[in-house]
Amino acid sequence: EDQVTQSPEALRLQEGESSSLNCSYTVSGLRGLFWYRQDPGKGPEFLFTLYSAGEEKEKERLKATLTKKESFLHITAPKPEDSATYLCAVREGNPDNNAGNMLTFGGGTRLMVKP
Amino acid sequence: ETGVTQTPRHLVMGMTNKKSLKCEQHLGHNAMYWYKQSAKKPLELMFVYNFKEQTENNSVPSRFSPECPNSSHLFLHLHTLQPEDSALYLCASSQETFSGTKETQYFGPGTRLLVL
Repeated sequence: EDQVTQSPEALRLQEGESSSLNCSYTVSGLRGLFWYRQDPGKGPEFLFTLYSAGEEKEKERLKATLTKKESFLHITAPKPEDSATYLCAVREGNPDNNAGNMLTFGGGTRLMVKP
Repeated sequence: ETGVTQTPRHLVMGMTNKKSLKCEQHLGHNAMYWYKQSAKKPLELMFVYNFKEQTENNSVPSRFSPECPNSSHLFLHLHTLQPEDSALYLCASSQETFSGTKETQYFGPGTRLLVL
């Protein structure tokens, strides 16, 4: 059974204090790892998709990286507006199965950045 | 309207009521999804529609009934719900290809449901 585990569950940072969020996964064959940001009372907002180990993507203060077992979301010099819950999801690798469009989500990391 | 919209945004219903949630996507996508997000639990996939056909029913109780009349609209009909069904219900859409390429899912703002 696919599993996605995010750590830590909650993270408090001072403005400007860089850190990383972790997403560990076990799937039969990865066909995409997704990062989303979710603000309270809103739907998840798409950030990145990573497909293969070694791949990296950046957007403003965020950088996502991928290995064969985990992904990191690095936050450089965060600002209070970066406060949100960050969700990781994986898509399993079975192109012959309609279940291949199912995402398995982790529990999320709630990030709080204090000014 | 842009992206994925959902109505109502908030809903309070009794256990004997019947209500429906509506989702509309303005992205030209051909696949739509219903997810449930409960407090302290990961997002759970409920239903998937590809090209208007339901391809996944993730062991969801029959008191939840989806309907997809066309590729832009998705409904979730609710009846005789239980208090534990209170959650944020999220709709998402994506563009699936005939070759089976699975694309990024884009989410709506959700409907916050409270069952009394």
